[in-house]
Amino acid sequence: GQNIDQPTEMTATEGAIVQINCTYQTSGFNGLFWYQQHAGEAPTFLSYNVLDGLEEKGRFSSFLSRSKGYSYLLLKELQMKDSASYLCAVGRGGGNKLTFGTGTQLKVEL
Amino acid sequence: GAVVSQHPSRVICKSGTSVKIECRSLDFQATTMFWYRQFPKQSLMLMATSNEGSKATYEQGVEKDKFLINHASLTLSTLTVTSAHPEDSSFYICSARREPGLALEETQYFGPGTRLLVL
Repeated sequence: GQNIDQPTEMTATEGAIVQINCTYQTSGFNGLFWYQQHAGEAPTFLSYNVLDGLEEKGRFSSFLSRSKGYSYLLLKELQMKDSASYLCAVGRGGGNKLTFGTGTQLKVEL
Repeated sequence: GAVVSQHPSRVICKSGTSVKIECRSLDFQATTMFWYRQFPKQSLMLMATSNEGSKATYEQGVEKDKFLINHASLTLSTLTVTSAHPEDSSFYICSARREPGLALEETQYFGPGTRLLVL
């Protein structure tokens, strides 16, 4: 079966840095996606890692280690609007089908 | 760019009726679209892969006769929930895969979702 694990909830302070971890064990791996999802809305794309290492995009960075089956999403200079669910997903197969983790609910506090 | 729309955004229906949900890629062509279902406080579960011009591929445990998928053009896929029951109440989300060659990332772009409530 496919197994993608993330912490269920995290809380951080506005202006701080938070790291959301994701470990995966899947049959097949094309790449690792991170999505942000606000309550009642569809997910929005944040990052996609294919190779090992760190990808930086403004306040968001994502890291991948394929040998360890591990990724993290790093959010800097947290803002209240960053309060959302963050979904880790593995792309598999020829169609790059996504298998999602359960998501990490991040709460940003003052 | 890469906008995906869904219609309707919200639907309430009686048990036993059928509901059709449309997914459109507005500014790109998508030979592959995906349909997901999300129950409250759970993650997205892939239901099926919709391929333009061919039959959809369903994930294990998803009834193909209950969830009919039609991918009639490169910009439109429809999901019909037949004989809906209260347990089918959920948030249905589609995504469209932007083909390689247009961008380095093989990213799925998600629609805004359709909230279905079956009474």
